[in-house]
Amino acid sequence: EVQLVESGGGLVQTGRSLRLSCVGSGFKFDEYGMHWVRQAAGKGPEWVSGISWNSDYIGYADSLKGRFTISRDNAKNSVYLQMNSLRPEDTALYYCAKAGGLGSFFNWFDPWGQGTLVTVSS
Amino acid sequence: EIVLTQSPGTLSLSPGQRATLSCRASQSVRSNSLAWYQQKAGQAPRVLIYGASSRATGIPDRFSGSGSGTDFSLIISRLEPEDLAVYYCQQTGVSPFSFGPGTKVDIK
Repeated sequence: EVQLVESGGGLVQTGRSLRLSCVGSGFKFDEYGMHWVRQAAGKGPEWVSGISWNSDYIGYADSLKGRFTISRDNAKNSVYLQMNSLRPEDTALYYCAKAGGLGSFFNWFDPWGQGTLVTVSS
Repeated sequence: EIVLTQSPGTLSLSPGQRATLSCRASQSVRSNSLAWYQQKAGQAPRVLIYGASSRATGIPDRFSGSGSGTDFSLIISRLEPEDLAVYYCQQTGVSPFSFGPGTKVDIK
């Protein structure tokens, strides 16, 4: 069974940093693109960032303005999201998601983890 | 950035009825890059349809997707009580990827 487990969320003050982690199991981690998606309470999902299987392709939401950095360590079956200069509007449940289908970064997301909550206080 | 709009915002139907959900893109989306997700209360989204019309593993055949270019549809042929959820479309053809605002399906 494919599983994704996020960690690293918490309560932080405006301007501080957090690093989220996601560990994948039940599939060949180094063959799939991985993504981060966030969802504020009562809102729809918002794609944050994604990384190809070999880290050659990385994408970010325009709204992040360079504050977030995605990376992965295939030896640890893990993908990370370094979040700097956090703002109250970054408050959300952050999901890790695996790209569907082998290889391509440009695929649907399947499955999603259960998320880790990030709360930024002003 | 490709902007997705969904209609209607809310759909209230009875069990057994047919639901038609629409997703419109601000520019053409590669058909193999349009997906539909179902999100039930308190759960993560799960993929229903990818590539505009391919059902994901384990998804009942009452769910179907169609469309191309800028207009896509998700059809639930016979609503069941467990279909109560919010449904989102997503494009992954062009980065940054984007989601629609969702359609809430209420079961009367």
